[in-house]
Amino acid sequence: ELKVEQNPLFLSMQEGKNYTIYCNYSTTSDRLYWYRQDPGKSLESLFVLLSNGAVKQEGRLMASLDTKARLSTLHITAAVHDLSATYFCAVDISYNNNDMRFGAGTRLTVKP
Amino acid sequence: KAGVTQTPRYLIKTRGQQVTLSCSPISGHRSVSWYQQTPGQGLQFLFEYFSETQRNKGNFPGRFSGRQFSNSRSEMNVSTLELGDSALYLCASSLAGLATGEQFFGPGTRLTVL
Repeated sequence: ELKVEQNPLFLSMQEGKNYTIYCNYSTTSDRLYWYRQDPGKSLESLFVLLSNGAVKQEGRLMASLDTKARLSTLHITAAVHDLSATYFCAVDISYNNNDMRFGAGTRLTVKP
Repeated sequence: KAGVTQTPRYLIKTRGQQVTLSCSPISGHRSVSWYQQTPGQGLQFLFEYFSETQRNKGNFPGRFSGRQFSNSRSEMNVSTLELGDSALYLCASSLAGLATGEQFFGPGTRLTVL
């Protein structure tokens, strides 16, 4: 059975600190996506990682993909309150057919 | 460029009724996917349509169905509603599928079944 596991599920950070969210998956895939969701809102696309070794950065967030280890990381640098949200990773298991399987999400709270 | 739109945004129904949700993709996008989000089960894939054809389907009962029109707009229908169908239903569009790189989500329809 396909599993997409994120950890931690809950993360409380102080502003200015660094932390990493991990996303492990159990199937062969070289397409992984990170999304952000604010309470009561839809999903906002953060990163699209389409090959082994892909690394993308936007502001204080950096995502990477290791398809051999079936692991993606979302690194947060010098967290600020505005980053408080739930972060989801998702794995494409059927390439063209948009069958994405999501992790359970990591609820991040950044405290002053 | 307008984003993905979904109507209605909120809906309250009673058990046994049926409901139809609508999704208009970004102009030029031909692939539309539907997802259900609940606190207990998280985000789950329902189905995906491309050029009016269902290409893929998640593990949901036959009460959940969908279709896509020639203008790429999509509808999903849930018949004989159950309390457990209460959820946020999200649709997402992409050019031609995830192979094109990115999927954009609409604001969702929050369905409450009483």
